[in-house]
Amino acid sequence: SYVLTQPPSVSVAPGKTATITCGGNNIGTKSVHWYQQKPGQAPLVVIYYDGDRPSGIPERFSGSNSGNTATLTISGVEAGDEADYYCQVWDSSSDHYVFGTGTKVTVL
Amino acid sequence: EVQLLESGGGLVQPGGSLRLSCTASGFTFSHYAMSWVRQAPGRGLEWVSAISGSGGVTYDADSVKGRFTISRDNSKNTLYLQMNRLRAEDTAIYYCAKDQSVVALSPNYFDPWGQGTLVTVSS
Repeated sequence: SYVLTQPPSVSVAPGKTATITCGGNNIGTKSVHWYQQKPGQAPLVVIYYDGDRPSGIPERFSGSNSGNTATLTISGVEAGDEADYYCQVWDSSSDHYVFGTGTKVTVL
Repeated sequence: EVQLLESGGGLVQPGGSLRLSCTASGFTFSHYAMSWVRQAPGRGLEWVSAISGSGGVTYDADSVKGRFTISRDNSKNTLYLQMNRLRAEDTAIYYCAKDQSVVALSPNYFDPWGQGTLVTVSS
């Protein structure tokens, strides 16, 4: 089965840049989506189709995808960005949706 | 406004059954595939099942295949998850989520998600 690997945690100071990676075999050939989940809340899509941003999501959130790694970048991090972040793809070979292992972003 | 509201969670003994419901509003329900995604306490997200907009095509994760059945009633704007032979490891918050096309299992994302319903499997 297809596996997506994320770092368990990322710590960043306010105003700095947080980079969250999502590793998978040839993930660059797939469409990657990113979700933000705050404690006690349902996940919320923050980036879809590698780098598109839903309305209402700040421009500080951006995404890229190439080779074996997709990346979510949060520029000018704010305290309100503290949350768990998950990447997600569709694996056509197994006809399964797959989520990454999740990354907890802590704002110092 | 698109809204999804899950119900039906609760405490059930191992080997028991439970049916979850997800009532949708704010969009043409039959035009979109839907999925169930779960999250065990303190753990990550796990996709469970998906169904096409017509209900004619379904897909299940290996961990629930043969035990869970996803279905929908488009006349009632409602998605279901029938869960049988429940195990302790099925304990989780179960979310329903709207896909972006009528076709299930495609390169699409989930938006929005419901608030979730908690299923606890314990004796």
